[in-house]
Amino acid sequence: DAGVTQSPTHLIKTRGQQVTLRCSPKSGHDTVSWYQQALGQGPQFIFQYYEEEERQRGNFPDRFSGHQFPNYSSELNVNALLLGDSALYLCASSPGPNYGYTFGSGTRLTVV
Amino acid sequence: KQEVTQIPAALSVPEGENLVLNCSFTDSAIYNLQWFRQDPGKGLTSLLLIQSSQREQTSGRLNASLDKSSGRSTLYIAASQPGDSATYLCAVRNVSNDYKLSFGAGTTVTVRA
Repeated sequence: DAGVTQSPTHLIKTRGQQVTLRCSPKSGHDTVSWYQQALGQGPQFIFQYYEEEERQRGNFPDRFSGHQFPNYSSELNVNALLLGDSALYLCASSPGPNYGYTFGSGTRLTVV
Repeated sequence: KQEVTQIPAALSVPEGENLVLNCSFTDSAIYNLQWFRQDPGKGLTSLLLIQSSQREQTSGRLNASLDKSSGRSTLYIAASQPGDSATYLCAVRNVSNDYKLSFGAGTTVTVRA
């Protein structure tokens, strides 16, 4: 049973560019959340998707947007990349509100 | 706003010693608390989930306790092994209509052989 899968594993982008990260939730999970983790810090909540809608959003600018597809997979888009967007981006899924979250291995984004 | 603190930031112990990792949170109106392990540059592996109505959870050598009234959780790892070396993060989910996890910065553990 595959867990949460994220792609790509690593990527390097230039300031001002746009990037799309992808996430497939664990089988049976319908809720997807995205987190940003800077080096040496705990993950920070970006947003959560449920039933193809953004259910909750953290304190991130509108440059960060997302989407959830009918098969529950999700994308995170970041526009106008800044050097400060360099981080590990983690996707987490859950089968419902009474359960914990399962995390993927993350995408390491470097902005140069 | 929920603030989660983990002290110490790092600790080093000899193999076989028991580990005690602390997590404190400022808002006691939590829905659940989850402990994770993170290896360098990797994702998070869930260790234990404690619902707000529970006092503790156990899995193998791991035991986590929860004291909501004092805003504290403790993760105990018995008979530590070098393979336990990693960063341990605690994350709190607030009341049922708040779906985000609030994380501490983690405790980095080194178990010396």
